[in-house]
Order: sequence, then structure tokens, then C-alpha cells
Amino acid sequence: EVQLLESGGGLVQPGGSLRLSCAASRFTFSSYDMSWVRQAPGKGLEWVSEISGNGRNTYYADFVKGRFTISRDNSKNALYLQMNSLRAEDTAVYYCAKVVALDWYSNLWGRGTLVTVSS
Amino acid sequence: DIQLTQSPSFLSASVGDRVTITCRASQGISSYLAWYQQKPGKAPKLLIYAASTLQSGVPSRFSGSGSGTEFTLTISSLQPEDFATYYCQQLNSFPRTFGQGTKLEIK
Repeated sequence: EVQLLESGGGLVQPGGSLRLSCAASRFTFSSYDMSWVRQAPGKGLEWVSEISGNGRNTYYADFVKGRFTISRDNSKNALYLQMNSLRAEDTAVYYCAKVVALDWYSNLWGRGTLVTVSS
Repeated sequence: DIQLTQSPSFLSASVGDRVTITCRASQGISSYLAWYQQKPGKAPKLLIYAASTLQSGVPSRFSGSGSGTEFTLTISSLQPEDFATYYCQQLNSFPRTFGQGTKLEIK
């Protein structure tokens, strides 16, 4: 089955770091851009970051720029989000999603992983 | 950044009703717009891409239209499983912003 599976979420103190992973299966991972989207409790969807298929191009929302780093390892079919200097407002479920080129929509999403930033 | 404004934010309707949700962009985005459905505790599900193309497997009662700055998602005859929150997303430029969502509730 074609799927994405996030991991790495958990409870972290303000100012701390966390690394999220997203494992992709049963599609040609390196052919697709990948993105991270988050959703704070009871709130709407918020685009966080995107990376090109070859990993050379990365894009960030202003509210994470300089704190989060998106990366990928195509040999492992894995996407990552390194999150540093975490704030309470970063508390959210983080989803990874596969991006289809040319129209750039996401037609495959993981189940999400919860990140809670609290002391 | 391109802002997306959905209206209404909340919608109460009955099974069998025809409903329309609007998404307005702060600047032109051609047809680079997608619509997603999300149910509580679940990941978003793609319904429509390129403003009007129905994703494979999505029922034909869902349709999308528009280009430029104004877009609509229409559900022709609401079914019980359609009560959810709907989001538009612009894909014309970075950051890839979402609308604030429209929660569709049972009347």
C-alpha cells in the first residue's frame, strides 16, 4: 500500500529540539516534492515547509524560517523536519504529504505526529 | 504572501442539500487551487485540484470551479459522510497557504 508514516513527535520543553521523520513506501520517493503541514489543536491547517525531489530546493513558512530545517534521504525513502528553538505555538500535529508536480497539490498524507511544546 | 479567505466559516445544512463554499485569494493564482476534506482526528483528503479537476475516487457530487481570485467548491446533494471541515490551498507560490476552513455541520 502506498503510504506515509510520521514519527518522532512527543513532549519537549520550550527552546528544545525535535526531529520528525516520515517514511514513504510503495512509490518512487525521489520523483516527488514533499511537504510538512501542521495543525494546532482545534485550529486549521498550516503549511510549514517543502523540499524538491532531489533535495536541492527548500521552502519555509516565515514562522519557522531559521528554526526548522527540512531534508530528505532518497536512499532511505525518508523525509525529515529538524525543529529547533521550539515555542509553545509550535504545538501541533505535523503531517507529511506527497506533492504532485505541475499542479503542486498533495494527494497522499500521513496520519500525523503530535508535537507538544510545554514546560 | 497570498491570503485565502473562505466563506462561510461555518455552514449548517441537511442531507440532500446543495452547498457552496467560496475561497477568495488576495491576488491572482490562476487555477493553482486545491480543496481538501478533513474529518476529526484524520488527515486531510484531497477532493479537487487545479481548481476543477476531481481527484480519482472522489464522488461526482463534489465539483470545483473558478480561476484567478475566486473559487467555489460545490456539493450537489449532501450525504451523511460529507459533514466535515473543508480547506482550500493555493499552490501558485510559496508559502503554500490554506484558507481558514469551513466547518459543515448537520442541521
